[in-house]
Amino acid sequence: GESVGLHLPTLSVQEGDNSIINCAYSNSASDYFIWYKQESGKGPQFIIDIRSNMDKRQGQRVTVLLNKTVKHLSLQIAATQPGDSAVYFCAESILSGTYKYIFGTGTRLKVLA
Amino acid sequence: DSGVTQTPKHLITATGQRVTLRCSPRSGDLSVYWYQQSLDQGLQFLIQYYNGEERAKGNILERFSAQQFPDLHSELNLSSLELGDSALYFCASSFGQNTGELFFGEGSRLTVL
Repeated sequence: GESVGLHLPTLSVQEGDNSIINCAYSNSASDYFIWYKQESGKGPQFIIDIRSNMDKRQGQRVTVLLNKTVKHLSLQIAATQPGDSAVYFCAESILSGTYKYIFGTGTRLKVLA
Repeated sequence: DSGVTQTPKHLITATGQRVTLRCSPRSGDLSVYWYQQSLDQGLQFLIQYYNGEERAKGNILERFSAQQFPDLHSELNLSSLELGDSALYFCASSFGQNTGELFFGEGSRLTVL
């Protein structure tokens, strides 16, 4: 399940710093958004989700921000750790609609020691 | 371990051939989704099944077909294979049709020579 080799934008962050990963989504009708993490050799793993009636949601060390006006999502990771190195994908969906989750192209996060 | 099982993990075949990828969803999950991950395209939604019925279709080629069986496992059939079909194929499952979290398998890596 590795994503090594994908031609992705890369974000390099010093260990201990905060990371901000951005995503622009395509459909203004989308009302549900998810962030996934894909480590090398594995399938995507759920991190956090947010519905369109919210603009912020916090998890453990992660925060997702939603700006519907400009169709933008961001994932903030606090105190980034080496284990956070992975590819991060946002996905959008319409809960009452056609049920398909559309994924963004992804961002590779590299944590520097 | 997500609970989603995909076989085979790796498959090498020749152009023009036909292959079948298999997915067993998490116990209790009724929805199965198939995604293709290639170098240039990221995660592309192919098709979704819910309790044996097709629910949503994405960018799935006519050479590809899928089905979900009464025991809820799913198969993705890829025929008349081309070099460009080389990719990682992921299966994901969820309990409902439009519920939040998708649980991904480890993927099947297909190489077409």
